[in-house]
Formats: sequence, structure tokens, C-alpha cells
Amino acid sequence: DSGVTQTPKHLITATGQRVTLRCSPRSGDLSVYWYQQSLDQGLQFLIQYYNGEERAKGNILERFSAQQFPDLHSELNLSSLELGDSALYFCASSPYSFSSYNEQFFGPGTRLTVL
Amino acid sequence: GDSVTQMEGPVTLSEEAFLTINCTYTATGYPSLFWYVQYPGEGLQLLLKATKADDKGSNKGFEATYRKETTSFHLEKGSVQVSDSAVYFCALTGGGADGLTFGKGTHLIIQP
Repeated sequence: DSGVTQTPKHLITATGQRVTLRCSPRSGDLSVYWYQQSLDQGLQFLIQYYNGEERAKGNILERFSAQQFPDLHSELNLSSLELGDSALYFCASSPYSFSSYNEQFFGPGTRLTVL
Repeated sequence: GDSVTQMEGPVTLSEEAFLTINCTYTATGYPSLFWYVQYPGEGLQLLLKATKADDKGSNKGFEATYRKETTSFHLEKGSVQVSDSAVYFCALTGGGADGLTFGKGTHLIIQP
């Protein structure tokens, strides 16, 4: 158990809908990272927040957004969902703002299915 | 941009066999290199890491050496067990505030 929690575990929704995925980092970790794992694209970095502020952006679509709250939990919002958004979404946390040298601790993921 | 290439598998070995999973990378600057492992139904766990050239990361019998001249970070284990069956991801960070860049993952199956 990494100490990172993600809810819900599974989510099934329809095209065009909007969903929110939630992540609670390990106690004391200030950075939260979001990743998408799909069969065709593999594991891709989406976005990082550090202590409430956006720190880095990866391959995140404009339909997707995230935020980190004062209690350090983070939410990933996915809107106007398409079939291709079906994937496993991972959250990871770290104590640091910089990912170099440092381990990221991954949650168990949220499996999103768009029908 | 940065990229990681690794054999995708599945790689099927017998218990106690020698394991090599190849990983090569393209990056600007001086990346840190990682191997993560994903067991069925779980998130990723860090297996080992190396942060500069010629560093060797090791953990649970697995080893990998950061080779700058060949831009490689191959994963090895001398004698695999059934419990090593999992998906292994090679990854790098380019430095600064960014996420991990992953390879496609190698599915390893160890047969008794």
C-alpha cells in the first residue's frame, strides 16, 4: 500500500458526460501527478500540482482539467467524454516539487469506461 | 522530446532463468532513470533508480546500470521467480518540474 488513495475505483459513463476523479496523496506529500494509461498510448503524464499550484503540464487535453485543494487532495475533471478517453487514470504523489531523483508513489488507479 | 523504448513482450521464462529487459532512451540533458513494476490490479511501484551515468540501481535481486554512452538502462536479474511475473516499465525524468516519461511496458511471465 503506497498511501495514495484514489476514488472511485471504477467509473462507467456515456459519451459527452463529465466526471471527476479524486486523489488523496500520502501524508506530507505536496506534489500530485496525474497519468493516463491506455492500450494504444501507454502511460502518459498529464499534469502536476505542487502545494496547490499547477507546476507542469504534459499531454493533457483541453477538455481535461485538474486542481489541488488546500488539504492537498486533487481532482481531475474530464468533460465532453469520448470513447477514446476510456483508460486507467493514476495519481502519484511526492514530497518534492521536482521529480528528478525522487520516487513518485502511485495510487491503485481509477478505471474509466466511456460507452 | 524525451522518449523511452523497451521490448514489449510478453516475455516468458522458466523459474530460475536469467532475465534481461532492454531499455534505451532519448533525452536532452541528464535524465534520471527508473524501473517501475506493476503487479496485476495494482498501481506502479518503484523497483530501482539511477540518477547519473554509471550509477547502478539495485533492489530485490534486480539491477540496472545507467549507460550514457549507449543511452541504455537494461534491467537484469540472475534467477527469476514466479512472483516476479508483472509488467515492468522503464521511465525517465528530464529534470525540473515534470512527470515521468514511460516506455510501453514489458509483460513478464514466469512459469514454474
